[in-house]
Amino acid sequence: DAGVTQSPTHLIKTRGQQVTLRCSPKSGHDTVSWYQQALGQGPQFIFQYYEEEERQRGNFPDRFSGHQFPNYSSELNVNALLLGDSALYLCASSPPGQGVRSPLHFGNGTRLTVT
Amino acid sequence: AQSVTQLDSQVPVFEEAPVELRCNYSSSVSVYLFWYVQYPNQGLQLLLKYLSGSTLVKSINGFEAEFNKSQTSFHLRKPSVHISDTAEYFCAVKGNNNDMRFGAGTRLTVKP
Repeated sequence: DAGVTQSPTHLIKTRGQQVTLRCSPKSGHDTVSWYQQALGQGPQFIFQYYEEEERQRGNFPDRFSGHQFPNYSSELNVNALLLGDSALYLCASSPPGQGVRSPLHFGNGTRLTVT
Repeated sequence: AQSVTQLDSQVPVFEEAPVELRCNYSSSVSVYLFWYVQYPNQGLQLLLKYLSGSTLVKSINGFEAEFNKSQTSFHLRKPSVHISDTAEYFCAVKGNNNDMRFGAGTRLTVKP
């Protein structure tokens, strides 16, 4: 049973470019959350998707957008990249039916470096 | 919105010594509390969780945490650490809005 999978594992982009990160949730999970983890810091909540809609959003600018597909997989898009967007981007999924009580299951992340 | 404060950024300890990693939360509603562990170049793995019921929760590898509502704390403890426990530990809280918020992390370094 595959857990949460993310692609690519590493990515190098230039300032001003756009990037798309991908996530497949754990089998049976329907909710996907995205986090940004800067070096030496805790994960910061970007947004959460459920039933193909953005349900919650953290304090991130509109340059950060996402999408969830009918098979529950998700994409994170970042436009007009800044040097400060360099971070580990983590995807997490959670199962249906448990609501706020369910923990998150994390992938290994995508390491984005902006030069 | 809920938030988490981890009081120690780094905790060095010798092997087989006890350790406590401190976590305080703030929330105006009922909370659900979690500890995650992160090894280098990996994602976060759930260590243990408090949802309701007994305030003392335990993991399979010897860690335990106690929910203290009056002190708004959820400290993580282990009576005897191993070299393999060296990692970054994150405390997290969920409120009724279903998004999980993390502390800044505590780097536990176990020395031989």
